Amino acid sequence: SQKIEQNSEALNIQEGKTATLTCNYTNYSPAYLQWYRQDPGRGPVFLLLIRENEKEKRKERLKVTFDTTLKQSLFHITASQPADSATYLCALTSHDSWGKLQFGAGTQVVVTP
Amino acid sequence: DAGVIQSPRHEVTEMGQEVTLRCKPISGHDYLFWYRQTMMRGLELLIYFNNNVPIDDSGMPEDRFSAKMPNASFSTLKIQPSEPRDSAVYFCASSLLGTGGYEAFFGQGTRLTVV
Repeated sequence: SQKIEQNSEALNIQEGKTATLTCNYTNYSPAYLQWYRQDPGRGPVFLLLIRENEKEKRKERLKVTFDTTLKQSLFHITASQPADSATYLCALTSHDSWGKLQFGAGTQVVVTP
Repeated sequence: DAGVIQSPRHEVTEMGQEVTLRCKPISGHDYLFWYRQTMMRGLELLIYFNNNVPIDDSGMPEDRFSAKMPNASFSTLKIQPSEPRDSAVYFCASSLLGTGGYEAFFGQGTRLTVV
């Protein structure tokens, strides 16, 4: 069966450091992978998308890498700030189920001053 | 556009009652998704539509759950009869995938409590 796995343990990090989150998947032929941010009581909000033929994408302090051989994506928040504290979810769309957007359970990030 | 609009924001109902959740997607979007979020299971995809047609409902947990999209601007998720284990936050999302808009826009969610 298809699985998207993210660290269930919260990531506690000091302000200014780089937070790195992992998203692993099995039994997917991914067309593209997305990262979302979710704040308490709100719906997820899109951050970044990376396609299967791309290795890395950046947006401001965010960086995503995608390794289809390892079946893994890494999400980095550089120079982290307390305002970055949230839950981050990865989501996949597969070639064989075009349009179907499935999410991992998310990893909570807590940035302390 | 006001974004994806869900109603109600909160719903408390007794076991056995029918519950209907509503969603208005962003105008012009061609995909609509229904998700359920719990601490135990995360964000689960229940069903999604393309141009008002249900494409994949394999995530719908039981026959007690049904979803419709009678037109491009409205969708419902119905639970009949409801059970305490249905308590969760239900999200609706829409996207413009048909023209390369991969980003999904989420509503604020409906927090359902079945007692």
